[in-house]
Amino acid sequence: EVQLEQSGAEVRKPGESLKISCKGSGYNFVNYWLAWVRQMPGKGLEYMGRLYPADSDTRYSPSFQDQVTFSVDKSITTAYLQWRSLKASDTAIYYCARPGALGGLDVWGQGTTVTVSS
Amino acid sequence: DIQMTQFPSSLSASVGDRVIITCRASQSINTYLNWYQQKPGQAPKLLIYTASSLQRGVPSRFSGSGSGTDFTLTINSLQPEDFATYYCQQSYKDPRAFGQGTKVDIK
Repeated sequence: EVQLEQSGAEVRKPGESLKISCKGSGYNFVNYWLAWVRQMPGKGLEYMGRLYPADSDTRYSPSFQDQVTFSVDKSITTAYLQWRSLKASDTAIYYCARPGALGGLDVWGQGTTVTVSS
Repeated sequence: DIQMTQFPSSLSASVGDRVIITCRASQSINTYLNWYQQKPGQAPKLLIYTASSLQRGVPSRFSGSGSGTDFTLTINSLQPEDFATYYCQQSYKDPRAFGQGTKVDIK
């Protein structure tokens, strides 16, 4: 079964760093792009960007460029989303999702809730 | 960047109704348009890809159409489990933006 398993909920203070994970299984992880999607409380889906595990090619949405970092560890089929200095406005659910061959995000992780509060 | 606009932003409907949701792209995206359903507390689910292709396992009452800049998602004979929020997304060019969503609730 194709799955994306995300790390658990996190609570941090403003200014702290954070790295959340998304582990792929049941498919050839390195040969599929992996996208990240933000959903702020009570709001819609926002596309953050995507990463290609085979060569770490990364395409950030301009709104998230320089705000977050995508990375991957191919050896453990895991992708990461990282912040160096969190803000309260980073409070959201973050999903990883796999685009299928024709672009639709056909596999989703369960989401990681990030809460940033002093 | 390509902007995606959905309308309406919300609608009320009854079981058995036909529901049509519209999505417009700010420039032509050919047929690189996807539709998702999201229920409260759940991750989104892909319904339709490339404008009109039904994702495996999705009921046939869901259908999509359109090309270029204008697209529609149609739900025939709305069922109780279809009350949810629906999003379009373009996969033509980065960043692959979503529409703002359409919430379908019970009349």
